Amino acid sequence: DQQVKQNSPSLSVQEGRISILNCDYTNSMFDYFLWYKKYPAEGPTFLISISSIKDKNEDGRFTVFLNKSAKHLSLHIVPSQPGDSAVYFCAACTNAGKSTFGDGTTLTVKP
Amino acid sequence: ETGVTQTPRHLVMGMTNKKSLKCEQHLGHNAMYWYKQSAKKPLELMFVYSLEERVENNSVPSRFSPECPNSSHLFLHLHTLQPEDSALYLCASSPVDRPYEQYFGPGTRLTVT
Repeated sequence: DQQVKQNSPSLSVQEGRISILNCDYTNSMFDYFLWYKKYPAEGPTFLISISSIKDKNEDGRFTVFLNKSAKHLSLHIVPSQPGDSAVYFCAACTNAGKSTFGDGTTLTVKP
Repeated sequence: ETGVTQTPRHLVMGMTNKKSLKCEQHLGHNAMYWYKQSAKKPLELMFVYSLEERVENNSVPSRFSPECPNSSHLFLHLHTLQPEDSALYLCASSPVDRPYEQYFGPGTRLTVT
């Protein structure tokens, strides 16, 4: 049973527009939710996190929204840039550092 | 450069071999992690070390043996692996008080023949 799911394997967006990446989870016991970005031949890079007691966290062009009642989180990137093209992983983490990852969504930002 | 290095980057080994993967972090973190990423599957947590003590073993077979001699180094000792163990093995580190903020190495691509 996959506890963290990213139902869209890919997303294509025009440069300058908003990218919205989605993630659903099933376990209410997670303490933090995270987004990572991954380029080929590199490990994932931490992007942004949100505590389970918050509903929004913003860092520059990146904003993460958490809807606990729907067990859903999303990452908004605005404006999108071609350099944002990568695989984005959603993850959920406990205070003990136990992280569960989604399958990833490949974002392509077209110039 | 994320401050987490892994060696070797690629490894091919037979099922009877013994090898070790090495991870080193230069970020001053005191928690370290091993993950496995198989083809078409999400990243799977294997082990968690916090302050050099193993705090999580995520039902990993005993043919994988981790070692954390100090807060900067983490090893994964491999012996009598199976072909299905072929995968990308990723190491990560974090501050112990911010376990959600993990920094990953580039991984070791392991092929078991």
